[in-house]
Amino acid sequence: DVKVTQSSRYLVKRTGEKVFLECVQDMDHENMFWYRQDPGLGLRLIYFSYDVKMKEKGDIPEGYSVSREKKERFSLILESASTNQTSMYLCASSSPGTSGNNEQFFGPGTRLTVL
Amino acid sequence: AQRVTQPEKLLSVFKGAPVELKCNYSYSGSPELFWYVQYSRQRLQLLLRHISRESIKGFTADLNKGETSFHLKKPFAQEEDSAMYYCALSRLNTDKLIFGTGTRLQVFP
Repeated sequence: DVKVTQSSRYLVKRTGEKVFLECVQDMDHENMFWYRQDPGLGLRLIYFSYDVKMKEKGDIPEGYSVSREKKERFSLILESASTNQTSMYLCASSSPGTSGNNEQFFGPGTRLTVL
Repeated sequence: AQRVTQPEKLLSVFKGAPVELKCNYSYSGSPELFWYVQYSRQRLQLLLRHISRESIKGFTADLNKGETSFHLKKPFAQEEDSAMYYCALSRLNTDKLIFGTGTRLQVFP
C-alpha cells in the first residue's frame, strides 16, 4: 500500500518558534507539494519540489521555506511561527504527468496550532 | 488567470436525491480537470479525472468547454457520499494543481 506519511498529526507551538513539518513518500515520486487547507479557502500551494534540491514557490510562500535533500523526503519549515500560520498542512506527491495523469497522493495532514 | 470556482460551500440533500456539485474554471488552453474527495478523518484522494471519462462510486463529471464547467453529478445520493469535495485544474504545462475552495456535501437519511 503506497503511502505519504507526515511526521505529526497534531502540533502545538508558540509564536516565534521554528517549526519543522516532515513528509515522506514511498512511491519514488519526483514531485512533492506542501499545501495549507483552511475552511472557505480550500487548498493553497505553499511550495513545490520537482526533484531533489529543486523547489518552486507556490501561491503563499511567505513565512515558509522548504528542504528536499532526499527524493523521498520534503520538509516544510516555519522560520518564526505566527498565529496566522495556524492551519492544516497537507503534503502530496506525484509523478511527472503525462496528459491528465498527474494524480497527487496526499498525506493525512498535520494540524498546527500556533499560540 | 487560471481559477477554479466552487460557488457552494455546503450542499445538503436527502438520501436518494440527485446531487450536482458545481465547478467552473477559467483557463486558456485545453484544461485537465479533477475532482478530489475527503471523507471524514480520511486523507484527500482523487475521485475522478475528466480525461478518463469514468464513473466512480456512481459519480460522473462532464467537461463543458462552452460553459467552462466540470460539475460533479450523482443521480441518487447515499449517506456515505457525505464528504468535502474539491474541484482542481492542472496548471498550464506544470504538474501543479489549482484547487477550488471546496463544497461540503451532507446527505441526510
